[in-house]
Amino acid sequence: LAKTTQPISMDSYEGQEVNITCSHNNIATNDYITWYQQFPSQGPRFIIQGYKTKVTNEVASLFIPADRKSSTLSLPRVSLSDTAVYYCLPSGGYQKVTFGTGTKLQVIP
Amino acid sequence: EAQVTQNPRYLITVTGKKLTVTCSQNMNHEYMSWYRQDPGLGLRQIYYSMNVEVTDKGDVPEGYKVSRKEKRNFPLILESPSPNQTSLYFCASSDGQGTVEQYFGPGTRLTVT
Repeated sequence: LAKTTQPISMDSYEGQEVNITCSHNNIATNDYITWYQQFPSQGPRFIIQGYKTKVTNEVASLFIPADRKSSTLSLPRVSLSDTAVYYCLPSGGYQKVTFGTGTKLQVIP
Repeated sequence: EAQVTQNPRYLITVTGKKLTVTCSQNMNHEYMSWYRQDPGLGLRQIYYSMNVEVTDKGDVPEGYKVSRKEKRNFPLILESPSPNQTSLYFCASSDGQGTVEQYFGPGTRLTVT
């Protein structure tokens, strides 16, 4: 199982772009990289997923280098409502999964 | 509406009194999983199931049981709850086919006194 390492916390001002990098050195060939957002006392919510290169959707972008040993979640122009914990999760589907402790993002007015 | 439901949402019980937390999904997903979340420890997987009658241990299975008799349901059973099982529990499901996005339930806050 790929073990992940993320910064424990980050602060950002409203309107700024935030980049959260996750390290997953022993990612398996068939693992996708998925990022989740979690608000207090709620279940995690899917943000974005990718396998390699760059993926963009309406809320975020995900950058994955060629060696796939890390990934970076990019949140453009954050607002106060983006204050949450963000988890990266390499996973290949039907298997045991191990979430890390995530990155607590605090957006400051 | 596609969703994962859990019941009860809140439960206070006493040590040793057997309890079941139910989980149901309406997306015909094959993969289901239970997690517990404790302050500073993130999400830890308790058990997961790849399909009906197929279950396996996650990182913290001690003190828990599960069953998967139907595709849509995956109950979590605490035969003899103890105070160290006080936690926030989440059920999740996914189709597990390449895209492994997991859909999480709203959570069950359990307190064992």
